Formats: sequence, C-alpha cells, structure tokens
Amino acid sequence: GAVVSQHPSWVICKSGTSVKIECRSLDFQATTMFWYRQFPKQSLMLMATSNEGSKATYEQGVEKDKFLINHASLTLSTLTVTSAHPEDSSFYICSAPVKLYEQYFGPGTRLTVT
Amino acid sequence: QKEVEQNSGPLSVPEGAIASLNCTYSDRGSQSFFWYRQYSGKSPELIMSIYSNGDKEDGRFTAQLNKASQYVSLLIRDSQPSDSATYLCAVKGGGNKLTFGTGTQLKVEL
Repeated sequence: GAVVSQHPSWVICKSGTSVKIECRSLDFQATTMFWYRQFPKQSLMLMATSNEGSKATYEQGVEKDKFLINHASLTLSTLTVTSAHPEDSSFYICSAPVKLYEQYFGPGTRLTVT
Repeated sequence: QKEVEQNSGPLSVPEGAIASLNCTYSDRGSQSFFWYRQYSGKSPELIMSIYSNGDKEDGRFTAQLNKASQYVSLLIRDSQPSDSATYLCAVKGGGNKLTFGTGTQLKVEL
C-alpha cells in the first residue's frame, strides 16, 4: 500500500531556532500533500496544503512566515518551523492523497521546543 | 456548530462485542467520508472510506452512511483489545481537504 514517511520522528530544539520536517511519498507521486498539527487530547488541525511547484495554501490563523512549506518535487514536501517557541511544541503529521481522495498519513514528528 | 461531531467517549465494550461509533457532519454537500484509527502517540491509519448511502463492509468493520441524516457510523464486530484506540471520522471538503471530528476513544475490555 501507499507509504508516506516523515523525518525526523522526534526533535527537541531550543526556543528561537528553526526546525525542518520532511515528508516523503515512497511509492507514489504526490502533487499535493497536507500538513496537520495535533495537540495532546485534541484532533488533527489542518495547517496548510502543500502544492508541488507552487505556493502552499495556509489555513486561516496559520502564520505562513512562521511555518514555511516547500514542495520541490513530486515526492517531497518540507515544513520548516521558524523561530520556534514552546507553544509550537506539538505532533506534526503530513498526509498525501492516493486513490479516490483517500489520504495516507506519515508517522508524524513530535516537536519539543525548550 | 462544529463541522464534524463525534462523542468523545470513552466507549467501553467487552471483548467480542460490537462497538458502534457515530459521527454527524454539517455540510450537506459532502460526498466522501473516512474512518481513521489512531493509537496513542501514533499517526492516524485509514481503515474505511465510504462514498454512497448504505453499508460497506471490510472484514470486521462496517461503515454506514446516511446522507439525508448527515450521519456516518462505524461498526466493529468481535471487538478485540487491539481495537482500543481513538477513532476519527473525517469528511472531505474542497481541494481534497479533510475535516476531522474530535475522535471517539474506544476501550475494549477483557
């Protein structure tokens, strides 16, 4: 079946630094990928839609200058959390649609900002 | 009003019983519906998709859709302790975006 990978699986960084998270589709091409954030005991919140070869589309309330998204190839999207703060600590998950709108999720990246 | 609503639970069922999970949605024009299972600390895993009114069965899982009532459900037969997880209902909107419910926590007890 379709596989989506993420790297790293977890990261700890200091406040004020930037962190890059990679999302790869391993056995299919994805012109669109999605980035979600999930806080403890809460559901997934869509942050942005990553579009191959064009700008990402951000959801209302998501700072595009803080969460930089690049989708440079059909198999790779990256999310960079810039100037991270403790409140950015969360579980970040990417997904990619495969067939008939079914989305498959990567394993997620747990970010802790100290 | 939330776009996708689920009872947060926990829903406790004994091993071997049928677990029934429910979801309602607000957008009457929605056409595609999904159930994901999420274990604690893990990412969601797609278990069922349904697009037409009626039932769709896959192994121990049955998804039911009633567009007139804007209602989706998931039945899990012969529940096992390994089914204990949070089940997320998702509805596809424009641009392939998914809107998730808050999830129902299922506990299958021995």
